[in-house]
Amino acid sequence: KNQVEQSPQSLIILEGKNCTLQCNYTVSPFSNLRWYKQDTGRGPVSLTIMTFSENTKSNGRYTATLDADTKQSSLHITASQLSDSASYICVVSANGNYQLIWGAGTKLIIKP
Amino acid sequence: EAQVTQNPRYLITVTGKKLTVTCSQNMNHEYMSWYRQDPGLGLRQIYYSMNVEVTDKGDVPEGYKVSRKEKRNFPLILESPSPNQTSLYFCASSSTGMGTEAFFGQGTRLTVV
Repeated sequence: KNQVEQSPQSLIILEGKNCTLQCNYTVSPFSNLRWYKQDTGRGPVSLTIMTFSENTKSNGRYTATLDADTKQSSLHITASQLSDSASYICVVSANGNYQLIWGAGTKLIIKP
Repeated sequence: EAQVTQNPRYLITVTGKKLTVTCSQNMNHEYMSWYRQDPGLGLRQIYYSMNVEVTDKGDVPEGYKVSRKEKRNFPLILESPSPNQTSLYFCASSSTGMGTEAFFGQGTRLTVV
């Protein structure tokens, strides 16, 4: 069964600190992996999209990594800001279809 | 401005009273879909549409209908809403290229009493 699991479920860190969120997936055949940021009550916004051949991708202070062999991805946030408080969702799509398999997300809280 | 627009943002209704949530996109995207989001769960796809007059079931289609008569619009219809359809709903659109970004609407919070 295609599944995406994220950890931790929630995380609280102090402003200015770094953090790393994890994503493990069992989706086959793999097409691409996406990280979304979702503010409470709002639609998800894309941060990165990575295909099989990409190991790392950055978007400002966000850096995503992908290990297609172990089927793991991580999202690293550098020098966190209060505006980074949100849910971060890992999404995997399978080859040849447009169905996206969504993780449950990691709720990140940045404290001043 | 490129956007996906859903209406209404908030809706409280009673069991059994038919309702429609509208979704419109201005990016000429072929692909549109509806999701529901419940606490502790990832987004679950309800229906999707690859193009005009082409729709298909997602993971949780029971109790919902959709139509795609025009490229820009993809309404979600609840013929007889029930309390278990209380949820946060999102419409999304994208072009059909692999790996292209999906754009989401601002969400519709539906409560069925």
